[in-house]
Amino acid sequence: TQLLEQSPQFLSIQEGENLTVYCNSSSVFSSLQWYRQEPGEGPVLLVTVVTGGEVKKLKRLTFQFGDARKDSSLHITAAQPGDTGLYLCAGHPGYSGGYQKVTFGIGTKLQVIP
Amino acid sequence: KAGVTQTPRYLIKTRGQQVTLSCSPISGHRSVSWYQQTPGQGLQFLFEYFSETQRNKGNFPGRFSGRQFSNSRSEMNVSTLELGDSALYLCASRTGESSYEQYFGPGTRLTVT
Repeated sequence: TQLLEQSPQFLSIQEGENLTVYCNSSSVFSSLQWYRQEPGEGPVLLVTVVTGGEVKKLKRLTFQFGDARKDSSLHITAAQPGDTGLYLCAGHPGYSGGYQKVTFGIGTKLQVIP
Repeated sequence: KAGVTQTPRYLIKTRGQQVTLSCSPISGHRSVSWYQQTPGQGLQFLFEYFSETQRNKGNFPGRFSGRQFSNSRSEMNVSTLELGDSALYLCASRTGESSYEQYFGPGTRLTVT
């Protein structure tokens, strides 16, 4: 079973601060997704990274996939209250002729205080 | 394009009852997965269907079952409900077996009393 560990699990910061959350595994993933989930709603896909070392930017959010494709990070610059939510990473082992299910981390709950 | 829809959004049942949840995927998506989300366990995979066939199943008891129809709509059934089944049940769709990205519905909040 492939496991994804996310850290920190909880983060409370002031508006305007920067933060980084991490997603780590001992397994290699062919791709990794980041989602944001707001209370009472389903997760919303933010980004997919597939290449080791890949960096993607989405406005103030920067996502990086580790060189070995075992870990990823999400960096938020100048956090806003609208960034509040649960951030989930999900690793996909790849499709090798037989389906393997996606593994989700437990999430990082972010609160941005105005 | 309409997103993933789930019905009902909220449900209250008592122990021992059974429940059926429904999910309509994004048009053109043939794969539907179901997840249980609780504060302590996070997102736990229940099962996935592709073209009406169950492709994979998570570590849940046989009380949890599902099916997929020819129009890709899916239902999930839980029989003999237990208090521990209280959770947010999420459905996600993707285009096919080799696609990585899942699109989630808003979930069904099930409370078992």
